[in-house]
Formats: sequence, structure tokens, C-alpha cells
Amino acid sequence: KQEVTQIPAALSVPEGENLVLNCSFTDSAIYNLQWFRQDPGKGLTSLLLIQSSQREQTSGRLNASLDKSSGRSTLYIAASQPGDSATYLCAVDSGNTPLVFGKGTRLSVIA
Amino acid sequence: GAGVSQSPRYKVAKRGQDVALRCDPISGHVSLFWYQQALGQGPEFLTYFQNEAQLDKSGLPSDRFFAERPEGSVSTLKIQRTQQEDSAVYLCASSHPTGSGGWQFFGPGTRLTVL
Repeated sequence: KQEVTQIPAALSVPEGENLVLNCSFTDSAIYNLQWFRQDPGKGLTSLLLIQSSQREQTSGRLNASLDKSSGRSTLYIAASQPGDSATYLCAVDSGNTPLVFGKGTRLSVIA
Repeated sequence: GAGVSQSPRYKVAKRGQDVALRCDPISGHVSLFWYQQALGQGPEFLTYFQNEAQLDKSGLPSDRFFAERPEGSVSTLKIQRTQQEDSAVYLCASSHPTGSGGWQFFGPGTRLTVL
């Protein structure tokens, strides 16, 4: 059974810092890995999707990498801003299957 | 609409009541997923439809939970005889490509509180 772990569970940083969020998964037979953002009381916003054949994806200040063989992904946020404060969720699927989520990392960026 | 919509956004039910939660997926999206998110946890899979066919309902926690998508568009998640442990946010997601597991787009969720 696929399990997804995210470390750390919570992170507080001053504005302007670069930061890395970690995600690991137990079964490397994945098709896609997605990073989501969730604001309090809101739904999930897709940030980046990495297909299993890819190593990384970039969107603005966000960069996600995937090492499928070791079961790891990282989300790099450059020059963090208070507006980046949210919970970040990592999820994997095995091709037309439901997503398996981690518990998330709660990020606070302090002005 | 432009995105996935869910209604109601908030629902308070007394223990033992039946509730029905609605999901309107993005137009043309073939796949529809329901997830349950408890406080402080990541979403957990409940059930999955491809068009009107319910292909996987292995995540439904009990036979009190029932989902349908009769015309392959709107879906309803019904919970009978609600219990306090059913309190959670219920998220719906839809995606377009079949057999390839593409982007899943999520609705805002329905927050269910059972008293």
C-alpha cells in the first residue's frame, strides 16, 4: 500500500528565505506526483505536476524535483513571501488511480 | 463554470440525519473523485467514477456512504445516519484524460459537522 510522508510537519521562516519541503513515498511505481497548496478553509490548488518520466517542473518561484527510484520529491520555494503561508500537500498516483496524499507541511512566512 | 463547484459549502447535521453533498465537475471531465479530509490530515480517497460508472469505491468507510453519478456529470455523495466521526471536509476532484492520470482539479469542499 502506497504511503506518502511529508517532512517537516510545520515550518516557520522569515520573509525572503529560500526553503525546501520534502515528500517521500514508499512505492516507486508512480505515474504522477503533484504538489498542492491549501489555504485555511479552502480547497486544494494544484501547483505543479511531475510525470514519472520527468525530473523537475518549475513555475515562477516554485521548483519541484522528483527522484522516482529513491521515492523522493522536493518543493523548493525561492524568496518566500507572507502570501506563501499555507499548507503544502504532496500526492502521487499510479495512472488513472486516486491520489494518495501526505499529511502536508504547514508553512508560515513571517514578514 | 470554470472550475469544480461543490454545495453546500457548510453543513451541520444532527447525529442520525442523512445528508447529501453535491459536486459539479469541470465540463467534459470524464473522471471524478471524492476524498475525505479530517482536521490536520491529508485527503483520503473515498470513491472514483469514470463517466457514470463507479469504478472504485474501496475507500468508502461504511455502507452508510453512497455515491452516484447517474448521467456522468454531477455527482452526489450521500451519508446515511450520520455519526460524529463523519465530521470532515469532503472534497471532489475531476480530471479529463482517461487512463493517464492527469491533473486533478479540486472543488472548495463541503465542511460537514455532525453534532
